[in-house]
Amino acid sequence: RKEVEQDPGPFNVPEGATVAFNCTYSNSASQSFFWYRQDCRKEPKLLMSVYSSGNEDGRFTAQLNRASQYISLLIRDSKLSDSATYLCVVNLRTLDTGRRALTFGSGTRLQVQP
Amino acid sequence: NAGVMQNPRHLVRRRGQEARLRCSPMKGHSHVYWYRQLPEEGLKFMVYLQKENIIDESGMPKERFSAEFPKEGPSILRIQQVVRGDSAAYFCASSPRRGGYSYEQYFGPGTRLTVT
Repeated sequence: RKEVEQDPGPFNVPEGATVAFNCTYSNSASQSFFWYRQDCRKEPKLLMSVYSSGNEDGRFTAQLNRASQYISLLIRDSKLSDSATYLCVVNLRTLDTGRRALTFGSGTRLQVQP
Repeated sequence: NAGVMQNPRHLVRRRGQEARLRCSPMKGHSHVYWYRQLPEEGLKFMVYLQKENIIDESGMPKERFSAEFPKEGPSILRIQQVVRGDSAAYFCASSPRRGGYSYEQYFGPGTRLTVT
């Protein structure tokens, strides 16, 4: 089982639509959670951190359910510029190595159409 | 405030040559991470370094790959005797030194290595 699983998509939606991405993670000791966005042949860019209480940034809302080990991202009023691959990312800090590397899902591709 | 810098952006090497990839973290950041992204795949962690110290290299292939982050200068990822399977995008990320568990990382533009 992958450490972070995402539906690869693609999600093809019209402009203005609301779209939701889901992600599950396998390690219950995961401590930090993020959504990154990656455009084709570019570096991942941090979109938002995800907090237990849920958080919102403009048209983007992220939710975390620790009990179900589930993270979601909701995009409202989709824009053409939202077309990208959205990466679900978790951080597991191990006590022995102090490792703080990120574990990435394979990403969900979103294509917003005019 | 300059972001994470990587060079070269593109690197072509013949099989058997050495590849050296450089990464300068964001100003004020003392933690550097290297990731590899194979074509059509997700990012995979390779190594985590602080100045003069390798913290976690559990993602590094056992042979031919090494990394350093000297006291002065950029972090270097070195691949010796490259093979075609090493062709990938190599991303460097940095994060600030701070307490807590939220370790946001900021990525450089990557180095695209092509082995011919």
